[in-house]
Amino acid sequence: DAKTTQPPSMDCAEGRAANLPCNHSTISGNEYVYWYRQIHSQGPQYIIHGLKNNETNEMASLIITEDRKSSTLILPHATLRDTAVYYCIVSGGSNYKLTFGKGTLLTVNP
Amino acid sequence: ETGVTQTPRHLVMGMTNKKSLKCEQHLGHNAMYWYKQSAKKPLELMFVYNFKEQTENNSVPSRFSPECPNSSHLFLHLHTLQPEDSALYLCASSQEGHSNQPQHFGDGTRLSIL
Repeated sequence: DAKTTQPPSMDCAEGRAANLPCNHSTISGNEYVYWYRQIHSQGPQYIIHGLKNNETNEMASLIITEDRKSSTLILPHATLRDTAVYYCIVSGGSNYKLTFGKGTLLTVNP
Repeated sequence: ETGVTQTPRHLVMGMTNKKSLKCEQHLGHNAMYWYKQSAKKPLELMFVYNFKEQTENNSVPSRFSPECPNSSHLFLHLHTLQPEDSALYLCASSQEGHSNQPQHFGDGTRLSIL
């Protein structure tokens, strides 16, 4: 199973872009990169996912390197409500399961 | 509002009690999941249902008994639980199981075993 590596914590100033990195050097060709976040006392919230092309939706952008060994989740204008634990997960092919690690605690500061 | 509703939000029960957790999804999905999130531990997948059929039991003790009467509803029946079963129990759904469709989670039931 491909695994991911994320920094345990990051800080970001309100209104600035938050760039959350993730390494997944053992990702297989048919595996997707998913991002979820979990705000305290709530369930995980799906943010975005991609295979090899960069993706953008109303919440965030996902930048995947050409070799697919790493990716970056970008929150373009972070707000205080974006403070949460962000999980980068690799899943796909025969492994459809979401295996949550410890994620990155993003703290958005005023 | 995620489209996945879990009740109750909080539950306190003794080790000899029987209770049930309920999950309902309004997304038209065909797969539903139960996860357990203990304090300071990652989410653990417990059960997967795809088109009402159980397709995954991740070595969960028999004191946890899932039920999926239709694609919109999922229950977790609890009986003779242990203190270490205190955790946040999360339900999720996706378009189909065993696929690359994203899962959508409810806000969970916070369970405390006395």
